[in-house]
Amino acid sequence: RKEVEQDPGPFNVPEGATVAFNCTYSNSASQSFFWYRQDCRKEPKLLMSVYSSGNEDGRFTAQLNRASQYISLLIRDSKLSDSATYLCVVNSGGYQKVTFGIGTKLQVIP
Amino acid sequence: NAGVTQTPKFRILKIGQSMTLQCAQDMNHNYMYWYRQDPGMGLKLIYYSVGAGITDKGEVPNGYNVSRSTTEDFPLRLELAAPSQTSVYFCASSYSGGQVESQHFGDGTRLSIL
Repeated sequence: RKEVEQDPGPFNVPEGATVAFNCTYSNSASQSFFWYRQDCRKEPKLLMSVYSSGNEDGRFTAQLNRASQYISLLIRDSKLSDSATYLCVVNSGGYQKVTFGIGTKLQVIP
Repeated sequence: NAGVTQTPKFRILKIGQSMTLQCAQDMNHNYMYWYRQDPGMGLKLIYYSVGAGITDKGEVPNGYNVSRSTTEDFPLRLELAAPSQTSVYFCASSYSGGQVESQHFGDGTRLSIL
């Protein structure tokens, strides 16, 4: 089993739709979790951290389910500008134990 | 605000050639990292450094070398380029270390080995 697994997509959704991505992780000792956004041929940029209590930032909501070992990202009212690849990042202890998922590609269609 | 600067942005090498990918940051960050990203794969850590004069291997160090003579610079060296090293290389830096959210990425170097 991979350390971090994501559905690569693509997820094609119309503008205004709500879309959700999940990311599963295998190491139950993982300590911190993040969602990064990566635009085509660009560098990854931090979108949001994922806390045990959940985290909301505008149209974006991130949640952690430790029992089932997955994190989720919910995007409401999708915009064309949300089109990107969303990377799940899991830290199981220190800078050398950071694992990036392969990313889920989102395409928002007019 | 320059942040993390990588040069060159694109490069084509022949098998067996060598080159150095440059990375510089102006944020006085102690921690610096080199990743590679292959199509359909997540970023893989090649080498990292926790300060000037200190470097250590990441997950995929074979075929690469690094040095950290100053806080600002963290070059990555390919000695004998191989087709398997065709990838996009990202340099990143962070202040506190171990805190992924504080990592700032450069905009990448796209390297093809033919």
